[in-house]
Amino acid sequence: AQRVTQPEKLLSVFKGAPVELKCNYSYSGSPELFWYVQYSRQRLQLLLRHISRESIKGFTADLNKGETSFHLKKPFAQEEDSAMYYCALSSYNTDKLIFGTGTRLQVFP
Amino acid sequence: DTGVSQDPRHKITKRGQNVTFRCDPISEHNRLYWYRQTLGQGPEFLTYFQNEAQLEKSRLLSDRFSAERPKGSFSTLEIQRTEQGDSAMYLCASSLVGTGFYNEQFFGPGTRLTVL
Repeated sequence: AQRVTQPEKLLSVFKGAPVELKCNYSYSGSPELFWYVQYSRQRLQLLLRHISRESIKGFTADLNKGETSFHLKKPFAQEEDSAMYYCALSSYNTDKLIFGTGTRLQVFP
Repeated sequence: DTGVSQDPRHKITKRGQNVTFRCDPISEHNRLYWYRQTLGQGPEFLTYFQNEAQLEKSRLLSDRFSAERPKGSFSTLEIQRTEQGDSAMYLCASSLVGTGFYNEQFFGPGTRLTVL
């Protein structure tokens, strides 16, 4: 079964602290993995995808096929990073997204 | 073009009533998706269209749900005989199929349905 698991509902850190939002997945085949973010009162938007291997707003995520993980990391959290983060995987051909339950990141000053 | 739009943004209805939501995708986007999000959960896929053809429906989409995209532009999602369990945020997204493996989906603001 295709599934995305985000074990933490809430992650609270202070500004400047490192952040790691965990994501594990199960998928038969080669998945495409993503992180979506939803800031307060804004719509869901793509943060980054594993295939592009880029850093967005200081965030990076590495796909570990052996551990079936795609954790999101940032070395120094900022207050503006406070948001809801969803890990998702895509099914080939349809692009339909399978989301995890989300992790709320709170960054305190 | 201000992105994907959805109407209405909020809908309160009584159990047993029918409701219809509209989604206007980004111009020229040929794929349109519907998702449902309940409290504490991530969005769950319901169905998607490529142009006017409905290509896949989730098992979550019971017989009371029907979606259309008659001219390959806007889409409607109708729920008949609403139940309290239908209360959720209904999200629409659109994308442009290109040559890449994944075509980024752009989400609308959602329609929040409350069934009393």
